[in-house]
Amino acid sequence: QLQLQESGPGLVKPSETLSLTCTVSGGSTRSNSYHWGWIRQPPGKGLEWIGSVHYRGSTYFHPSLKSRVIISVDTSKNQFSLNLNSVTVADTAVYYCARHPPGSVEYFDYWGQGILVTVSS
Amino acid sequence: SYELTQAPSMSVSPGQTASITCSGDKLGDKYASWYQQKPGQSPVLVLYQDDKRPSGIPERFSGSNSGNTATLTISGTQAMDEADYYCQAWDSSSFVVFGGGTKLTVL
Repeated sequence: QLQLQESGPGLVKPSETLSLTCTVSGGSTRSNSYHWGWIRQPPGKGLEWIGSVHYRGSTYFHPSLKSRVIISVDTSKNQFSLNLNSVTVADTAVYYCARHPPGSVEYFDYWGQGILVTVSS
Repeated sequence: SYELTQAPSMSVSPGQTASITCSGDKLGDKYASWYQQKPGQSPVLVLYQDDKRPSGIPERFSGSNSGNTATLTISGTQAMDEADYYCQAWDSSSFVVFGGGTKLTVL
């Protein structure tokens, strides 16, 4: 059974970089079949996709976040990561990592439990 | 950018049918997916490619997508179906797009 687990700091200061890691178990980030993604949800609000990545390098980003986002895959650790720079209080959210189904980027079939990241001084 | 619109909330009586809609420009030309999210939990995929149910999702969940509207239908709604429901589609320019979510109350 595939499992995804987010990790990282729960508190980030404004203007700094938010860095999160998603550890994958029960599956491989090195598989040609899968893209991996990040989604966030501000408290009390809806879901917002951030971006998705394939270990061979193809990436897709939310147009409004593209300039601040880096998503990468570390196949040696079976992890993928999110870096969001120049954060503001508006970036406070629960951040989820998730997997796209085999050969598709149209939806997400597995999600992590989420991690709350608060941006505050 | 591509947008999906959902009603913020709706209510349904137990045992009745709930129809949750999602609208977007020519949405019927794309595949729609639906997620269920209960308080404090991660979203769960309940439908993909308009009307396909992942393993473990009850048959009372069904879907359709035509024109500008995708619909998630829950037949014989149960108290356990009370949750937020999000539609989602893939657009060639906006990529992954979520609707704003519909809070379904069963009362």
